[in-house]
Amino acid sequence: EPEVTQTPSHQVTQMGQEVILRCVPISNHLYFYWYRQILGQKVEFLVSFYNNEISEKSEIFDDQFSVERPDGSNFTLKIRSTKLEDSAMYFCASSGGGEEQFFGPGTRLTVL
Amino acid sequence: GNSVTQMEGPVTLSEEAFLTINCTYTATGYPSLFWYVQYPGEGLQLLLKATKADDKGSNKGFEATYRKETTSFHLEKGSVQVSDSAVYFCALSDPQAGTALIFGKGTTLSVSS
Repeated sequence: EPEVTQTPSHQVTQMGQEVILRCVPISNHLYFYWYRQILGQKVEFLVSFYNNEISEKSEIFDDQFSVERPDGSNFTLKIRSTKLEDSAMYFCASSGGGEEQFFGPGTRLTVL
Repeated sequence: GNSVTQMEGPVTLSEEAFLTINCTYTATGYPSLFWYVQYPGEGLQLLLKATKADDKGSNKGFEATYRKETTSFHLEKGSVQVSDSAVYFCALSDPQAGTALIFGKGTTLSVSS
């Protein structure tokens, strides 16, 4: 069964460093998403991506964040200069265009 | 704006007990409602959904009914199993606001034999 995969499962970084979180969406899907969940809080939408451009973004998705689909399979989230408050679980999701979004297992980001 | 509130966990039950996890929502439009489940070490999986008022979503013995009058979408199961132990997320999607899902905080269910 096709699934969304994410790497790494856990990333530890120093404050101010750049991190890139990687996702491989389901191969025939067209819509891609990033969400995050700070420990003990809600899962929050960050950004959606369709047709090689951002289609929606939340207030959280400021200039320190960027997304890219560098090839036909990967979808990445870059955080340019990490802050302590960026520590969270980051989920990638993809959709074929219907309402159901398929989620990856998440990357736990720890900023020290 | 749109939001989802679900009951705080953890919920601890014995096998074969009845489960209810409450979820209420606030939406400006006519949202679709979802329950996602996350098993340990895995991603969020869609458990069930309902797209309009009075619809009932069901899957794997779980049910939830879209109640517009009470803005609720409570998750129920008549007899839980140990394998149902997971985190359950209520979510909504409002087409007027885009395709992003808006989630509740999640409720951890632990079932013991």
